[in-house]
Amino acid sequence: DSGVTQTPKHLITATGQRVTLRCSPRSGDLSVYWYQQSLDQGLQFLIQYYNGEERAKGNILERFSAQQFPDLHSELNLSSLELGDSALYFCASSIYRGGDTEAFFGQGTRLTVV
Amino acid sequence: GENVEQHPSTLSVQEGDSAVIKCTYSDSASNYFPWYKQELGKRPQLIIDIRSNVGEKKDQRIAVTLNKTAKHFSLHITETQPEDSAVYFCAASRMEYGNKLVFGAGTILRVKS
Repeated sequence: DSGVTQTPKHLITATGQRVTLRCSPRSGDLSVYWYQQSLDQGLQFLIQYYNGEERAKGNILERFSAQQFPDLHSELNLSSLELGDSALYFCASSIYRGGDTEAFFGQGTRLTVV
Repeated sequence: GENVEQHPSTLSVQEGDSAVIKCTYSDSASNYFPWYKQELGKRPQLIIDIRSNVGEKKDQRIAVTLNKTAKHFSLHITETQPEDSAVYFCAASRMEYGNKLVFGAGTILRVKS
């Protein structure tokens, strides 16, 4: 167990719908990252938050948005879903303190758009 | 933007042989280089990492080397075992303020017994 919790584990929804994926980072970790992994694909960086503020943005679609709340949990919102959005969405968290910067991944949310 | 290239995309080795995976990064300010292993259907997990102030790091059968001048780093697995079969991802980052990890595309390693 990495200490990073993602809910739900599985999500099946129809095209055009909107979903919210939730991530609770490890206790004390200030950074939260979201990655998308499509079938047979690598880990595509979507967005990073650090202590509540957006820190970096990757190739995140305009239909997607995210936020990090004061308690440091994060949510990734996906709207106007398309078949191609079906993927495994990972959240990771890390803390930078004295050189410790390992990122720990959650188990992922498998999104299936039908 | 930052980019990490990883080769090969697939690698098949015989049990007991060595496996080498290579990565090249573009951001010269990167100073942290972790390697993650992802088994089928599971989350990526850190197996070894190296910081820019060292050239090599070893942990039992795995080792990582870093060439900052050439901006490339490699993962070496010796005496491979079937349980080493997985997808391996390299990544690069600047450690300051927990900067994002930029991942390579991944290498599917198959160890044949």
